[in-house]
Amino acid sequence: GEDVEQSLFLSVREGDSSVINCTYTDSSSTYLYWYKQEPGAGLQLLTYIFSNMDMKQDQRLTVLLNKKDKHLSLRIADTQTGDSAIYFCAEGMDSSYKLIFGSGTRLLVRP
Amino acid sequence: NAGVMQNPRHLVRRRGQEARLRCSPMKGHSHVYWYRQLPEEGLKFMVYLQKENIIDESGMPKERFSAEFPKEGPSILRIQQVVRGDSAAYFCASSRGQGDEQFFGPGTRLTVL
Repeated sequence: GEDVEQSLFLSVREGDSSVINCTYTDSSSTYLYWYKQEPGAGLQLLTYIFSNMDMKQDQRLTVLLNKKDKHLSLRIADTQTGDSAIYFCAEGMDSSYKLIFGSGTRLLVRP
Repeated sequence: NAGVMQNPRHLVRRRGQEARLRCSPMKGHSHVYWYRQLPEEGLKFMVYLQKENIIDESGMPKERFSAEFPKEGPSILRIQQVVRGDSAAYFCASSRGQGDEQFFGPGTRLTVL
């Protein structure tokens, strides 16, 4: 079945690192995505990783994928107050249009 | 280069009324997707359309919901005889081709009283 799970809430201090975790169940997923949703706004694609990779780094963002455990994480280095938002992980299949989303993790960055 | 546009941003309806949600895709995009986000949940796929065609409506309730993407004009998601359980955020996304990156609009937040 298709199911993506995330913890609901994370609070960190400004300047610290944030790690947001996600587990998925469909082993045939080809792409795994991280989206950011700011209040009142749509979803913004932050980064994605192919299922044949185990790590991807993009400036302050690091994505780790453990395919054996079906576990995905997003690490944000030097977290800023502007990073406060809801973060969604999503899985997709090759050439498929259907994205399966988790319920989102609300990140609160304290000054 | 405008992104995906949705209107209205907020919509309030009484039970039994109709709700019409509009989505204008990004320029050059002919593929449109509608998702629904219930409170405290992730987005759930509803329907995928190309110009004048419904490709996949497997995520859309069979009753009361319909979607269209005419040759001219925006895509419309129509909900007839709304009920309280329809209260949600409805997001539209568009892409250049099937399987390409989907760009999301800001959503329409529907409240049914």
